[in-house]
Amino acid sequence: KAGVTQTPRYLIKTRGQQVTLSCSPISGHRSVSWYQQTPGQGLQFLFEYFSETQRNKGNFPGRFSGRQFSNSRSEMNVSTLELGDSALYLCASSLARAGNSPLHFGNGTRLTVT
Amino acid sequence: DAKTTQPPSMDCAEGRAANLPCNHSTISGNEYVYWYRQIHSQGPQYIIHGLKNNETNEMASLIITEDRKSSTLILPHATLRDTAVYYCTVSNGNEKLTFGTGTRLTIIP
Repeated sequence: KAGVTQTPRYLIKTRGQQVTLSCSPISGHRSVSWYQQTPGQGLQFLFEYFSETQRNKGNFPGRFSGRQFSNSRSEMNVSTLELGDSALYLCASSLARAGNSPLHFGNGTRLTVT
Repeated sequence: DAKTTQPPSMDCAEGRAANLPCNHSTISGNEYVYWYRQIHSQGPQYIIHGLKNNETNEMASLIITEDRKSSTLILPHATLRDTAVYYCTVSNGNEKLTFGTGTRLTIIP
């Protein structure tokens, strides 16, 4: 069974630009969660999508948004990029709601903002 | 805010059992305890989870105290490949699933 796939693996953007990251969950998984990981802040929860609906949202500004498609694939978007958005963005899928079943993480997209 | 507290770092000799503690004193009755680990540059990997009873799988054992306020992850025969950051989390699937800072486990040859 294929694992969680995140694309692209690496991304370099300039301040003010926007970026879209993609996540393909494990087949049959209905929940997708997104996390931002930085050396200073650790793993920070962004949002969880289940059955195309955002179920939970972390403490991030409105520049961070996401969506989930009917096939459970998910995208997150960051607009008006800032230097502080440089981080590893991790996606995780689970069969049921995150916390009711184990999360399976991808290897992330490393975003660098210059 | 993370609901768990873990020591920032631990060392363990190769071949010995690694015992990683986690405090979750505010856990509610329907929240599961989950353990994950993250090896450098990779996404976190699920290890094990439990509600009340002790659990064991091919990777580890999970011991949950009777009052459920703390737990211990046991890696029975640690190898160098077990060097990683270990995260303990609690969740019932309704609230956002947050991670604390974890324990950096170093296996010493």
